Amino acid sequence: EVQLVESGGGLVKPGGSLRLSCAASGFRFNSFDMNWVRQAPGKGLKWVSFIRSSSTYISYADSVKGRFTVSRDNAKNSLYLQMDSLRVEDTAVYYCARANFRHFDLWGRGTLVTVSS
Amino acid sequence: QSALTQPASVSGSPGQSITISCTGTSNDVGAYNSVSWYQQHPGKAPKLIIFSVSDRPSGVSSRFSGSKSDITASLTISGLQSEDEADYYCSSYTSNRPFVFGTGTKVTVL
Repeated sequence: EVQLVESGGGLVKPGGSLRLSCAASGFRFNSFDMNWVRQAPGKGLKWVSFIRSSSTYISYADSVKGRFTVSRDNAKNSLYLQMDSLRVEDTAVYYCARANFRHFDLWGRGTLVTVSS
Repeated sequence: QSALTQPASVSGSPGQSITISCTGTSNDVGAYNSVSWYQQHPGKAPKLIIFSVSDRPSGVSSRFSGSKSDITASLTISGLQSEDEADYYCSSYTSNRPFVFGTGTKVTVL
């Protein structure tokens, strides 16, 4: 089955760190660019980060640049998001999403990150 | 990168047609034919329903159609059905960052 499954969310204090993972299956992971997209409770979708299939190009939203680091391991069919210096406003459901050319054609179910003291 | 602008809500009766607008700039919607639309039901992940302005993925109803004029893209839902009640988001490729999403539109079936 073609799917993406996120994990690693949870409750963390402001200033803390968390590492999200996204396990891909059912397709050739190393052929696709990948993204992280987040959604704060009751709010809209926000693009967070992009990584090219070969990891040769990476981009971040201004709101997370310098605090978040995206990476991937094509041998393990996995995408990661290292989140440091977390803020209350980073509280959201984090989705990994496959980029097919310039749209997101496959989404995971998301993992909830809560930043609170 | 500012979000694309969508109306907060749109409503219609069953069988009617509704249109959701998505306004960007000359750096995103106006620059590329790379506008996509996503449907999201409560508690669920988003689902791709339109890509490349007007193309539909396999399995998506032909009641959904997309178009673009200058810096504004539009999603039309024809023959509105109760199952269409959801949140809808547009997205565009951009010259500054790979992607930007719209502010989102809640569709209510009266």
